[in-house]
Amino acid sequence: DQQVKQNSPSLSVQEGRISILNCDYTNSMFDYFLWYKKYPAEGPTFLISISSIKDKNEDGRFTVFLNKSAKHLSLHIVPSQPGDSAVYFCAAIVSNSGYALNFGKGTSLLVTP
Amino acid sequence: KAGVTQTPRYLIKTRGQQVTLSCSPISGHRSVSWYQQTPGQGLQFLFEYFSETQRNKGNFPGRFSGRQFSNSRSEMNVSTLELGDSALYLCASSSWGGSTDTQYFGPGTRLTVL
Repeated sequence: DQQVKQNSPSLSVQEGRISILNCDYTNSMFDYFLWYKKYPAEGPTFLISISSIKDKNEDGRFTVFLNKSAKHLSLHIVPSQPGDSAVYFCAAIVSNSGYALNFGKGTSLLVTP
Repeated sequence: KAGVTQTPRYLIKTRGQQVTLSCSPISGHRSVSWYQQTPGQGLQFLFEYFSETQRNKGNFPGRFSGRQFSNSRSEMNVSTLELGDSALYLCASSSWGGSTDTQYFGPGTRLTVL
């Protein structure tokens, strides 16, 4: 049973524009959320995280928004660059019950020049 | 600092065989987690080890097992391989294994079962 869902398998955005990647979750016990980026033939790389006590976290061009009532989070990349082209995974955990990341299936982002 | 290394990078086995995959965490990291990535199921948690003890286990059959050594290196073993075990197996390490501690992933081992 997929508790973290990324309903868009792919997204194409022009360079310089905003990329918005979405993620929904079903388990209301999740209290910590992360985004990972993955290039082919490499392992996922941590990008940004957010605790459930916040609704926004920003790191350079990357901002994650959390809407707990809707069980929804999104990753904004502004401005998008061709090097951002990768698969983005959303992940969630219940922080007091062990350290098992629950991942979505990923969204493949293509940033075109 | 060297990253997480996994060996071998590619492996081909036949049904019924067993396989052992190895993971060396980042120096100083004590927590090692294993994940299976398949096109249909995405990334799924297998198990996590901290200081040679398995702390968490995902929903996988007993054919999947692992261990961690005193130097934090970890191995996972899959016995009686099935075609459905073909996947990318990823190892991740973190320093103290806390739930908000960043996990750093290795490049993975691509296992193909024929």
